[in-house]
Amino acid sequence: SAVISQKPSRDICQRGTSLTIQCQVDSQVTMMFWYRQQPGQSLTLIATANQGSEATYESGFVIDKFPISRPNLTFSTLTVSNMSPEDSSIYLCSAAGMSGTSTDTQYFGPGTRLTVL
Amino acid sequence: GNSVTQMEGPVTLSEEAFLTINCTYTATGYPSLFWYVQYPGEGLQLLLKATKADDKGSNKGFEATYRKETTSFHLEKGSVQVSDSAVYFCALKLGQGAQKLVFGQGTRLTINP
Repeated sequence: SAVISQKPSRDICQRGTSLTIQCQVDSQVTMMFWYRQQPGQSLTLIATANQGSEATYESGFVIDKFPISRPNLTFSTLTVSNMSPEDSSIYLCSAAGMSGTSTDTQYFGPGTRLTVL
Repeated sequence: GNSVTQMEGPVTLSEEAFLTINCTYTATGYPSLFWYVQYPGEGLQLLLKATKADDKGSNKGFEATYRKETTSFHLEKGSVQVSDSAVYFCALKLGQGAQKLVFGQGTRLTINP
């Protein structure tokens, strides 16, 4: 499986500010995704990061709040904009379709723990 | 809609006990099914998967069988260890290739020595 890293691993931010989270995969992948895991909750998909085009957002998530970039096949960013305490969560990126593996399976990064004061 | 329901936690067992974590699903179509594990302070790791009815996924002594008739994918292990303490997530994926995962709520497992 590929190695997926995220930066930062954690951050504490003030309300009204924005934070950009980076996700780097050590090999080219077909698909990248961003999930949110709110405290004590399960994971919810925010969006699919499409290479070279706009991300595909799930119901309840909008581009103005969570802009996503994917400039190439190994890298993506998620920005959490105009943050409020309700945005305090773990944000995880995942990837699927790396060389030698089935596109059926997603592999996850270690997550970014965000606390908004 | 598509959903996954897991056995409520937390679950606490003694070392070498038998483990079952129940997972049932609702889906339109025939999903692939997964178990992911999240160890303390770490990200999600794929534990095992099954892509069609009657398939059995296995890894690290854990097993789960895709039961279409009961729409279930229960996770089992014959003898748990302290190192198995983690949160376990059941998930489904519809369609071919890379599609979104729908997760259950997670079950926190603690194994006492």
